[in-house]
Amino acid sequence: AQSVTQPDARVTVSEGASLQLRCKYSYFGTPYLFWYVQYPRQGLQLLLKYYPGDPVVQGVNGFEAEFSKSNSSFHLRKASVHWSDWAVYFCAVSMNANTNKVVFGTGTRLQVLP
Amino acid sequence: EAAVTQSPRNKVAVTGGKVTLSCNQTNNHNNMYWYRQDTGHGLRLIHYSYGAGSTEKGDIPDGYKASRPSQENFSLILELATPSQTSVYFCASGERKNYAEQFFGPGTRLTVL
Repeated sequence: AQSVTQPDARVTVSEGASLQLRCKYSYFGTPYLFWYVQYPRQGLQLLLKYYPGDPVVQGVNGFEAEFSKSNSSFHLRKASVHWSDWAVYFCAVSMNANTNKVVFGTGTRLQVLP
Repeated sequence: EAAVTQSPRNKVAVTGGKVTLSCNQTNNHNNMYWYRQDTGHGLRLIHYSYGAGSTEKGDIPDGYKASRPSQENFSLILELATPSQTSVYFCASGERKNYAEQFFGPGTRLTVL
């Protein structure tokens, strides 16, 4: 069955430092992958999405993600973290083109230290 | 501005009572979804809909019903609420095209005592 694993429940970085949030997927076929962000007391918002093609995908606010078929991974990166990036980040895989159902990971809570 | 709104934002219910969570979207999207968010589980799909009059079971439908009376509105109904249904519930909408992103509402925090 399709699944997404985010192995880090919590990540803490200093402002200005680089960031990588890990995501591993399990999917039979061609995966369509997403990263969503949830700011405090808000719903989820799309950061970026991967459709088969260029393995590096650019998103909003300086985020990017790299798809690796060999590693079954879709890690999220940012070169320099800002305090406003404090949020929970969810990786998701789309299960079905027709229904657009997705499976979400359990999320990674990012804390940014001043 | 296109948006997904939910009401109420907070709800306290008693065990055995009926609870209705409402969702309205102005995105003119065909697809709508109801999720619950619990620590350690991420978001789990309860029900979804392809359009007015349609509802489909998601991954954890037991104890929940859904209703889609119009393109804009999608409700989640707990006929007999239980404490295990205490959670944060999110509604989302999405276009009927392949692998479309979803747009989420702000969530409803439900506590069942």
